[in-house]
Amino acid sequence: KQEVTQIPAALSVPEGENLVLNCSFTDSAIYNLQWFRQDPGKGLTSLLLIQSSQREQTSGRLNASLDKSSGRSTLYIAASQPGDSATYLCAVMDSSYKLIFGSGTRLLVRP
Amino acid sequence: NAGVMQNPRHLVRRRGQEARLRCSPMKGHSHVYWYRQLPEEGLKFMVYLQKENIIDESGMPKERFSAEFPKEGPSILRIQQVVRGDSAAYFCASSPRAGLDEKLFFGSGTQLSVL
Repeated sequence: KQEVTQIPAALSVPEGENLVLNCSFTDSAIYNLQWFRQDPGKGLTSLLLIQSSQREQTSGRLNASLDKSSGRSTLYIAASQPGDSATYLCAVMDSSYKLIFGSGTRLLVRP
Repeated sequence: NAGVMQNPRHLVRRRGQEARLRCSPMKGHSHVYWYRQLPEEGLKFMVYLQKENIIDESGMPKERFSAEFPKEGPSILRIQQVVRGDSAAYFCASSPRAGLDEKLFFGSGTQLSVL
């Protein structure tokens, strides 16, 4: 059974700092891995999608990497801003097209 | 192109009542997923539907819960005889097709509170 774990559960950093969020999964038989952002009381916004054959994806200040063999992904946020404060969720797509989510990392970027 | 629309945003029910949650996918999307999120937890898959078909309901409780996605109209998640443990945020997501490179687009969710 696929399990997705995110570390840390919460993170507080000063504005401008570069940071890394971690995601690990137990079954390497995935189709893709996605990172989402969730704001309080809101739905999820897709940030990056990495296919199983890819190593990384970049969008603006965000860079996500994938090491399928070791079951790990990282989300790198450069030059963090207060507007980046949100919960970041990692999810892997299994063979039946279901997304399996981690519990998320709550990020606070202090001005 | 409007996003995924869910209503109501908030729903309060007493124990034993029925809850109906609606989801209108993005235009052109024929695949709908329902997820449930408990406080401080990630989203848990419930059911995956295409128009008029349930593809995968492995995450849905066997009793009291049902889902449909008719040919016309929104997808409905129905919870009969609600209990306090059903209190959660229910999210709907849609995609145009099932595929390895297809992103899911999520609605804002329905917060169900059972008194």
